[in-house]
Amino acid sequence: EAQVTQNPRYLITVTGKKLTVTCSQNMNHEYMSWYRQDPGLGLRQIYYSMNVEVTDKGDVPEGYKVSRKEKRNFPLILESPSPNQTSLYFCASMEGSTDTQYFGPGTRLTVL
Amino acid sequence: QKEVEQNSGPLSVPEGAIASLNCTYSDRGSQSFFWYRQYSGKSPELIMFIYSNGDKEDGRFTAQLNKASQYVSLLIRDSQPSDSATYLCAVNANPTTDSWGKLQFGAGTQVVVTP
Repeated sequence: EAQVTQNPRYLITVTGKKLTVTCSQNMNHEYMSWYRQDPGLGLRQIYYSMNVEVTDKGDVPEGYKVSRKEKRNFPLILESPSPNQTSLYFCASMEGSTDTQYFGPGTRLTVL
Repeated sequence: QKEVEQNSGPLSVPEGAIASLNCTYSDRGSQSFFWYRQYSGKSPELIMFIYSNGDKEDGRFTAQLNKASQYVSLLIRDSQPSDSATYLCAVNANPTTDSWGKLQFGAGTQVVVTP
């Protein structure tokens, strides 16, 4: 089954404790992206990757890091989480022929 | 000015009626347009994409695109309670630009279908 997976699905942590949210896709897509979704603000892109070892900032990159060492994986790293990073996070991969983005199930992060 | 704008709703629609959702965008160079449906707490799921001016139909859904006026709309015919969700409009830039792949989303329109 073609899918994007994320782990963990739910995470409660404390300020300053480094964390990583994993994302993996099995569709051989070159383009992957991370979004955060907050009430009233919609989906905002954090980082994206056009291919292995190629990443760039989206609209709200502050406080986040990413890496793309393999085509299928695109982890999101919060080196020192803060409460304003409490949000619902989605990973997505894009099919190049149609520009269609497919979303993972989401990770709900709470930073205390 | 937001790049992609939608009415937040809620849009209340009687069961069996037509729901009409609108979306305007600011980047005249945008090339591809998407409608996603999102249930509360779930991930967005693609309903339709449209690239060319005019109408595109898929089952009970019809997307309409007017690039000259910079708007895209979604019609849901024979609305069902299961259509109650937030509908997100998304726009992708021209593939020749640095913004390609950077989907811009509207904030979404909440649709409530009442039995």
